[in-house]
Amino acid sequence: EAGVAQSPRYKIIEKRQSVAFWCNPISGHATLYWYQQILGQGPKLLIQFQNNGVVDDSQLPKDRFSAERLKGVDSTLKIQPAKLEDSAVYLCASSNTGDWGYTFGSGTRLTVV
Amino acid sequence: GDSVTQMEGPVTLSEEAFLTINCTYTATGYPSLFWYVQYPGEGLQLLLKATKADDKGSNKGFEATYRKETTSFHLEKGSVQVSDSAVYFCALSASNNDMRFGAGTRLTVKP
Repeated sequence: EAGVAQSPRYKIIEKRQSVAFWCNPISGHATLYWYQQILGQGPKLLIQFQNNGVVDDSQLPKDRFSAERLKGVDSTLKIQPAKLEDSAVYLCASSNTGDWGYTFGSGTRLTVV
Repeated sequence: GDSVTQMEGPVTLSEEAFLTINCTYTATGYPSLFWYVQYPGEGLQLLLKATKADDKGSNKGFEATYRKETTSFHLEKGSVQVSDSAVYFCALSASNNDMRFGAGTRLTVKP
């Protein structure tokens, strides 16, 4: 089965610019997650979708971050405007109902300068 | 809230040495426990898991036992290889399938 696809792989932007990341989960996986992994730390959940509805976005900085999952398949995560501290790897993962453990994509490495 | 604490790295071992990476957790209820591995330049991969107390997860020579009495899930391998060099993350998932990760432990195995 195809894995979780993410793009772009790398992105460098200046602070105050906007950026968007894309994720295509494994076919049929109902649950999709976006994680932020700052260098030297473990991944931190930003938002969890079940189909096209938000289950948990309590750790998403909503003043600058937004995410959507139209039609319950692909998802985009946007940052506007970006700050220096947003430099991190943004990981997308998906899982199916009843599964334990996620499948992660390779991530998008964002550098804000 | 639920959380995971794992031993700080980095850990450097010689090939064929014994590996232990400690992990303890705090959770209400009965979480499932996981170890993920991240090889250089790659995404996280599930290494092994255990869903209830006394379960042992194993994969690729790695093992971890879910110890409810000590709230631990230590990762072990009897003989490490250079190819095991990676960052290892302990994680738990309780209700809602929300995964909480430790900070990661970098392992370097030298020939």
